[in-house]
Amino acid sequence: QSVLTQPATVSGSPGQSITISCTGTSSDVGGYDFVSWYQRHPGKAPKLLIYDVSDRPSGVSSRFSASKSGNTASLTISGLQAEDEADYFCSSYTSRSILVFGGGTSLTVL
Amino acid sequence: QIQLVESGGGVVQPGRSLRLSCAASGFTLSNYAMHWVRQAPGKGLEWVALISYDGNNEYYADSVKGRFTISRDNSENTLYLQMNSLRAEDTAVYYCARVGTWLQLLADYWGQGTLVTVSS
Repeated sequence: QSVLTQPATVSGSPGQSITISCTGTSSDVGGYDFVSWYQRHPGKAPKLLIYDVSDRPSGVSSRFSASKSGNTASLTISGLQAEDEADYFCSSYTSRSILVFGGGTSLTVL
Repeated sequence: QIQLVESGGGVVQPGRSLRLSCAASGFTLSNYAMHWVRQAPGKGLEWVALISYDGNNEYYADSVKGRFTISRDNSENTLYLQMNSLRAEDTAVYYCARVGTWLQLLADYWGQGTLVTVSS
C-alpha cells in the first residue's frame, strides 16, 4: 500500500479535462509545498511534469496544471490528447526527510 | 541531453547479491545527489536510497537498511546500488533519479529502470 493515495484509473475523451488526486497527510502533502507529478509511458523513463505543487519545468505543456488543498494535491490535464495516455504518479517530501510516492494512476484516453 | 541508464538487473536467488549501475550523461554527476527508487509488481513507487553529491552521506529506506549500499564513482559518471541478502519482496523495477534540488529532494530526471527478480 502506497503512502500517498491516488485513484487507480481515470479516463476521458479527447479535448476533455481530467483531474487526478493525491491524498497524503500533514506529514507529507499537507506539511510541505514540495509535491511533484510525473508521467510515465510504458517502458519509458518517468518525466517530471510539476514540482513545488504547481510549477512546470521548461518544455512541459501548459495543459498540465496542479494545485494543493490541505492534504490533497491534484493534477489537471486539459484538452486531453491521445499522447497523454500514460501512468501518472505523485510524490511528496516528508517530515522524515525522504520522498514518498503515490500508487500511480493509469489514464485512458477514450 | 540528460540521460540516466540503469543496468545490472536480472533473476537472482533469495539470499544472493546483485549490483545495479546507473550511467549518467549530459550533466556533471558530481554536482548532484542521486536517488534509487523501485516499483514492485502491482505496487506504487518506493524510495530506496539517497546519496549526496560527494558520496559522503547516504540514506536508506528501513526496508533495505543494512542490506543495500548506495555508492558513486563521479570520475566514471556512475551510480551504484549493491544489494545483498535479497528477498522475494525486493523484486521490482529499480530506477535511478537525479536530485534536482536538495531542499526537497526533487527527482527531476529518471532512467528507464532495470528489473530485478528474486526467485528460486
